[in-house]
Amino acid sequence: GEDVEQSLFLSVREGDSSVINCTYTDSSSTYLYWYKQEPGAGLQLLTYIFSNMDMKQDQRLTVLLNKKDKHLSLRIADTQTGDSAIYFCAETLPPGYSTLTFGKGTMLLVSP
Amino acid sequence: DADVTQTPRNRITKTGKRIMLECSQTKGHDRMYWYRQDPGLGLRLIYYSFDVKDINKGEISDGYSVSRQAQAKFSLSLESAIPNQTALYFCATSDFTFGTSGSSYNEQFFGPGTRLTVL
Repeated sequence: GEDVEQSLFLSVREGDSSVINCTYTDSSSTYLYWYKQEPGAGLQLLTYIFSNMDMKQDQRLTVLLNKKDKHLSLRIADTQTGDSAIYFCAETLPPGYSTLTFGKGTMLLVSP
Repeated sequence: DADVTQTPRNRITKTGKRIMLECSQTKGHDRMYWYRQDPGLGLRLIYYSFDVKDINKGEISDGYSVSRQAQAKFSLSLESAIPNQTALYFCATSDFTFGTSGSSYNEQFFGPGTRLTVL
């Protein structure tokens, strides 16, 4: 089956930028998503990008998509301790694009 | 009140017992999903349902069954629990939204999770 790959852990200092990377395997993916899971909680959609876009910016978040390399990244500017969480990359696949396939998640730890 | 609720939040049971995890939603969504989360493995889809009469197997359905009692309720059962079913279980819902070029945009809304331990 298809796999979405992410590094498992990232540690940064407060105020630095964080970059979380993801590679996906299916070029048919239409929407690609970033979900955030805070400790003890379920996942929450953070942002998404449609496959005909290269970049999407939303306040401190920047999503970059390289379709040729099937690479997706999430940049968090001015990272805060409240950004400490697990971040999941996800894609929707044919047929139907009805379900999400998640990566294993990247744990971001922000230290003061 | 939370839009997606799960009961129980925590459960400890023994091998061989039958367990039911329940999920309710007030979002009015047709689509509901059950996932399990294991450390280092991310989320894996167990079952999903697009309406009351529709049930589909996900990536890891063996050992599990589901029931869609109503639009708002989707239950997950472990007929005979085993220790490797110890995990965090999440229910999620979504609406069907057509995005650009006719493809489906799939934002899922997650419950708080049920931590299940099988001894």
